[in-house]
Amino acid sequence: NAGVTQTPKFRILKIGQSMTLQCAQDMNHNYMYWYRQDPGMGLKLIYYSVGAGITDKGEVPNGYNVSRSTTEDFPLRLELAAPSQTSVYFCASSYGGDYQETQYFGPGTRLLVL
Amino acid sequence: DQQVKQNSPSLSVQEGRISILNCDYTNSMFDYFLWYKKYPAEGPTFLISISSIKDKNEDGRFTVFLNKSAKHLSLHIVPSQPGDSAVYFCAARDSGNTPLVFGKGTRLSVIA
Repeated sequence: NAGVTQTPKFRILKIGQSMTLQCAQDMNHNYMYWYRQDPGMGLKLIYYSVGAGITDKGEVPNGYNVSRSTTEDFPLRLELAAPSQTSVYFCASSYGGDYQETQYFGPGTRLLVL
Repeated sequence: DQQVKQNSPSLSVQEGRISILNCDYTNSMFDYFLWYKKYPAEGPTFLISISSIKDKNEDGRFTVFLNKSAKHLSLHIVPSQPGDSAVYFCAARDSGNTPLVFGKGTRLSVIA
């Protein structure tokens, strides 16, 4: 199993550009998550999904959109990039939503908006 | 307002000694706590967890202690090894359908 994979690993965007961060998992997990980690800070939840076709906002959803058309994939869309979105983005997945479920993280995408 | 606090940004320990990483929380509804370990350029990986019905959970060299009255938990690593050098995140959640809340992390350096 590859686990949780993310592409690209690193990207530089200009202000106002858009991009999609890709996330895929091959563990047949129902739940998937997007986090961002700013320098010196903890991870903050952007969006999450409890299954194909179902998504919900996390703590910091503004400026982002998500979709979940399949169990495996959970892309994160940035429509109008802003410097405040410079961060490292982590995708994670878990089998279910039980509060004791372990989340498995991808390697991250480092995004720089200039 | 930070609900999960890791007040020590960094910690340096000699190889073979004990590493103690601390975490405080403010939300009394939290009843499940986790530690994640993160190496540079990698995602966090789950290390150990503890439920509020316990005060200690052990897994090899790693032990997590929970003091509910003080709203404090700690991770003990004995003996510390150079490969333990990483950033350690404390995280917590309640039993409802709420997301994990992470601390800012503590960077542990184990010196040979």
